[in-house]
Amino acid sequence: GAVVSQHPSWVICKSGTSVKIECRSLDFQATTMFWYRQFPKQSLMLMATSNEGSKATYEQGVEKDKFLINHASLTLSTLTVTSAHPEDSSFYICSAATGDSTDTQYFGPGTRLTVL
Amino acid sequence: QKEVEQNSGPLSVPEGAIASLNCTYSDRGSQSFFWYRQYSGKSPELIMFIYSNGDKEDGRFTAQLNKASQYVSLLIRDSQPSDSATYLCAPNTGRRALTFGSGTRLQVQP
Repeated sequence: GAVVSQHPSWVICKSGTSVKIECRSLDFQATTMFWYRQFPKQSLMLMATSNEGSKATYEQGVEKDKFLINHASLTLSTLTVTSAHPEDSSFYICSAATGDSTDTQYFGPGTRLTVL
Repeated sequence: QKEVEQNSGPLSVPEGAIASLNCTYSDRGSQSFFWYRQYSGKSPELIMFIYSNGDKEDGRFTAQLNKASQYVSLLIRDSQPSDSATYLCAPNTGRRALTFGSGTRLQVQP
């Protein structure tokens, strides 16, 4: 299957700092990528849809100025958590659609963010 | 009504048994479905894609789709403790974000 990578796999930062998470489709081009957040023992929650070359579409309740998404190329989307606070500590997961006849979505391995 | 409904479980089966996971959906227009497996602390991984009525087999996994009754199921034969995870079903939404059910937590007892 297709491969999606994320970097870093985990990050610890101080409150008030910004953290950038990268999501890459390694062997296919993805015009659309998705960012999810998952808290312990809860379901995946969609944060935003990232479209190459255009602005991201954010889900209701997700602050676009806090979670900056940039989809600069067909293989890379980045999520920047600005002025992170302890409540932003979570598991952030991206996915990308292959764009073939099945439009299968593959998930990255996730990034565990801990804000102290 | 939720778009996708799954029994959250846990579903507990003994090692070697068949685990049966079910998913019902509300949108009659849904044509194909994904099954993902998510281990605790990990991201979801794709285990099956089904688009036709009937069965699709891949190793120990068999997905079943019944569009008339609007359900899709996943059978795991010869269940192993390593199959213990949460199983998520989702209708194929093209290039829109997936809508998952709550997932069914499977526990395979050694």
